[in-house]
Amino acid sequence: GAGVSQSPSNKVTEKGKDVELRCDPISGHTALYWYRQSLGQGLEFLIYFQGNSAPDKSGLPSDRFSAERTGGSVSTLTIQRTQQEDSAVYLCASSLGRRGTNTEAFFGQGTRLTVV
Amino acid sequence: QKEVEQNSGPLSVPEGAIASLNCTYSDRGSQSFFWYRQYSGKSPELIMFIYSNGDKEDGRFTAQLNKASQYVSLLIRDSQPSDSATYLCAAYYGNNRLAFGKGNQVVVIP
Repeated sequence: GAGVSQSPSNKVTEKGKDVELRCDPISGHTALYWYRQSLGQGLEFLIYFQGNSAPDKSGLPSDRFSAERTGGSVSTLTIQRTQQEDSAVYLCASSLGRRGTNTEAFFGQGTRLTVV
Repeated sequence: QKEVEQNSGPLSVPEGAIASLNCTYSDRGSQSFFWYRQYSGKSPELIMFIYSNGDKEDGRFTAQLNKASQYVSLLIRDSQPSDSATYLCAAYYGNNRLAFGKGNQVVVIP
């Protein structure tokens, strides 16, 4: 596609439910990033994929969070047993993925998650 | 030490003035540096990237990179009210992790 696409754009869920967030990166981009941004805060790194593998999962806040990427394209971020502190905007970005030049990352519009 | 640091508080500048933002990074191996602009309620959008020491100019924006001192800066000339936003600095680390600073809010006063 022309840009990074995320769905849903908004999600309201009850505490304790599982949610799945989707990211469709720019075609040809091998690197994919998930970030979380709470109100008025900076970007918190969650996980990074190079192709289908995740070399860096160190940002996942707890074992309730998991992510996968299949076919080197679409990625899903799953949050199990959601808690109110999970409420935030979840941003996905993709890039060509090579260190050095041409590594600009482009963001989707985000999924605003509200846990009630 | 944080990977990417932006320590300044909100920056208020009069319209037409120069806004100057600074960012430091901890990994000497970082090669790629980026400035993103984020309007309230919107996603970050890339405005500048720089890979080499020195200055890079794009319209009213100039990015400056000093690898020896490990800092990156952004200058916004002839600031406009539409430049009012949060500016995020980013750098690549280690295993291709893209790390962001907390951002600096810029307010351009008409």
